[in-house]
Amino acid sequence: AQTVTQSQPEMSVQEAETVTLSCTYDTSESDYYLFWYKQPPSRQMILVIRQEAYKQQNATENRFSVNFQKAAKSFSLKISDSQLGDAAMYFCAYRSARGAQKLVFGQGTRLTINP
Amino acid sequence: NAGVMQNPRHLVRRRGQEARLRCSPMKGHSHVYWYRQLPEEGLKFMVYLQKENIIDESGMPKERFSAEFPKEGPSILRIQQVVRGDSAAYFCASSPPYSNQPQHFGDGTRLSIL
Repeated sequence: AQTVTQSQPEMSVQEAETVTLSCTYDTSESDYYLFWYKQPPSRQMILVIRQEAYKQQNATENRFSVNFQKAAKSFSLKISDSQLGDAAMYFCAYRSARGAQKLVFGQGTRLTINP
Repeated sequence: NAGVMQNPRHLVRRRGQEARLRCSPMKGHSHVYWYRQLPEEGLKFMVYLQKENIIDESGMPKERFSAEFPKEGPSILRIQQVVRGDSAAYFCASSPPYSNQPQHFGDGTRLSIL
C-alpha cells in the first residue's frame, strides 16, 4: 500500500519570504500523480498544484512550485513571496495512475505567515 | 458551473441515531469519492462510486457505514447508530470519467455526535 509522509507538523515564515514544505511517499508503482492541497480555516480543500510522475519537469503555478525527485520519492512544495492568505494546512497526496483512483494523503503541515 | 455540493454543512446527531450526508458532483462528473477527516489529521479515503456501482470500498468501516450513488440524485453516505467516534468532517470529491483528471472537493459536512 502507498503511504505519504509529511514530517513537518508546523512551519512558519515571514511575509514575502520563501518556505518549503516537505513530503515523501512510498510506492512500488512507476506511474502516478502527486498533489498539494491547501485547507484554510474555512476547511475547503483547494488544489494547489499537481505533478505527473512521468514528467521530469517540475510543475509550477504562479508563486507555487514543486521539487519532484522521483528516485528519492520526494515531492516538496515551495511557496515564494509568502502572503497572509497562504496561511493554511497543506496536504500532500498521491494517486495511482492505474487501478485505484483514491487519494492517499499525508498528515498535513500547518503553515503560519508572520506579518 | 457549480462545484461539488455537500449538505448539510453541519449535522448534529445523538448517539444511536442515523446520519445521512449528501453529495452532488460537479456537472459532467460521474465519479464520486468520500473521505473522512478526524481532528488534526489528514483525509482518509472511504469509498469510490460511479453511478449505481461501488468501485472501491476498501476504506469503509465494516459495520454501520454504507454509501450509494443512484442513477438519479446525489450520492449518500449513511451512518447508522452513530457513536462519538464518528464525529469528523466528511468530504466528498468528484471527477470526470478520465483517470488523469484531479478530484474536486466539496466544502465538507462536519458531523458532531452528542
